[in-house]
Amino acid sequence: EVQLVESGGGLVQPGGSLRLSCAASGFTFTSYSMNWVRQAPGKGLEWVSYISTSSSTIYYADSVKGRFTISRDNAKNSLYLQMNSLRDEDTAVYYCVRNKGGAWGQGTLVTVSS
Amino acid sequence: DIVMTQTPLSLSVTPGQSASISCKSSQSLLHSDGKTYLYWHLQKPGQSPQLLIYEVSSRFSGVPDRFSGSGSGTDFTLKISRVEAEDIGIYYCMQGIHPPPYTFGQGTKLEIK
Repeated sequence: EVQLVESGGGLVQPGGSLRLSCAASGFTFTSYSMNWVRQAPGKGLEWVSYISTSSSTIYYADSVKGRFTISRDNAKNSLYLQMNSLRDEDTAVYYCVRNKGGAWGQGTLVTVSS
Repeated sequence: DIVMTQTPLSLSVTPGQSASISCKSSQSLLHSDGKTYLYWHLQKPGQSPQLLIYEVSSRFSGVPDRFSGSGSGTDFTLKISRVEAEDIGIYYCMQGIHPPPYTFGQGTKLEIK
């Protein structure tokens, strides 16, 4: 069974940092590009970042560029999102997503508030 | 960025009847590789989104054949035949043409009458 399990969310003050992790299982992780997608409370879906299978190609949404860093460890079947300089508007559930949406994790909630 | 516009934003359907959702993109989603990168996702209440349709009309694994996708270029449609109670939720179209950013429609909320 394909599984994506996110962790690392929580409450953080504006300007703070968090590192999200996503553990993948049930498929060949090295064969798939991966993404982070977020959903603010009561809102729609927003793509955040993309990483290719070998980490050679990375993209970010303009809203997070320069503040967030996506990475992966293929040996550990894991995806990461380092989030720095967090803002109120980064408050959302963050989903780990395989390729173009073939699998979604359950999400981890990030709340940025003082 | 490519803007995705869905209509309607809400839909109320009697069980057994059909439903259609339109999605229009601000640019063609036809890639030079010949594929059209339009996807449909469903987010059921309290759950993560799940993929229904990829590349306009291909049903993802396990998706009932009541769901069908059509369209080309910039105009796309998701049709649900014989709507069931389990189909309630928010439907999102998404463009996945490379390179990112990928973008989603606003979402269409399906309710059962």
